[in-house]
Amino acid sequence: EIVLTQSPGTLSLSPGERATLSCRASHSVSSSHLAWYQQRPGQAPRLLIHHASGRATGVPDRFSGGGSGTDFTLTISRLEPEDFAVYFCQQYGTSPYTFGQGTKLEIK
Amino acid sequence: EVQLLESGGDLVQPEGSVRLSCAASGFTFSIYAMSWVRQAPGKGLEWVSSISGIGGNTYYADSVKGRFTISRDNSKNRLYLQMSSLRAEDTAVYYCAKHLVLVTASPGDHWGQGTLVTVSS
Repeated sequence: EIVLTQSPGTLSLSPGERATLSCRASHSVSSSHLAWYQQRPGQAPRLLIHHASGRATGVPDRFSGGGSGTDFTLTISRLEPEDFAVYFCQQYGTSPYTFGQGTKLEIK
Repeated sequence: EVQLLESGGDLVQPEGSVRLSCAASGFTFSIYAMSWVRQAPGKGLEWVSSISGIGGNTYYADSVKGRFTISRDNSKNRLYLQMSSLRAEDTAVYYCAKHLVLVTASPGDHWGQGTLVTVSS
């Protein structure tokens, strides 16, 4: 099983600032099959990034993903009020398709 | 517009059973992989099970293997999760998710709003 470790657990920033979230895998993620999701309180997860760097349909271009192998990042270039939420990474290259524990992005 | 509507969540006694259903619309259901993902109260996401489109290959998390069964009825555009031998740690909101493509090695690009399963005596 591939274990995904996200850091930091909580990130406190202000609107307009840049956010960088990390997702580290215990083993290499095949074919960069790594996704990022956003979850706002009381809502279902929303796909942001697939294949490590591909933006999902309708996702603003301030969201970008990068990395390969075991180290991946999600960057939000300029935070908007609606971006404060919990973010999860998931690897879907090898079953079981595991999730990271999440990073909470909160307003400073 | 893609819509996924879960149902079947309930209060269930330990060792009991329940079947979740997900009604899909707005896309050609049969050619997309589907999954169940759960979230215990106040916790993170946990992948539970996936089923591919067309051929219906299935995959399970170790925590549910042998107790849960995923299936799909492409004629009814429905996804199911039969859950048995339920434990307290199965208490969670269960989300139905449509995958981006036919195979399960793809992310979930549309999610339902979830259905709550509570396992308690």
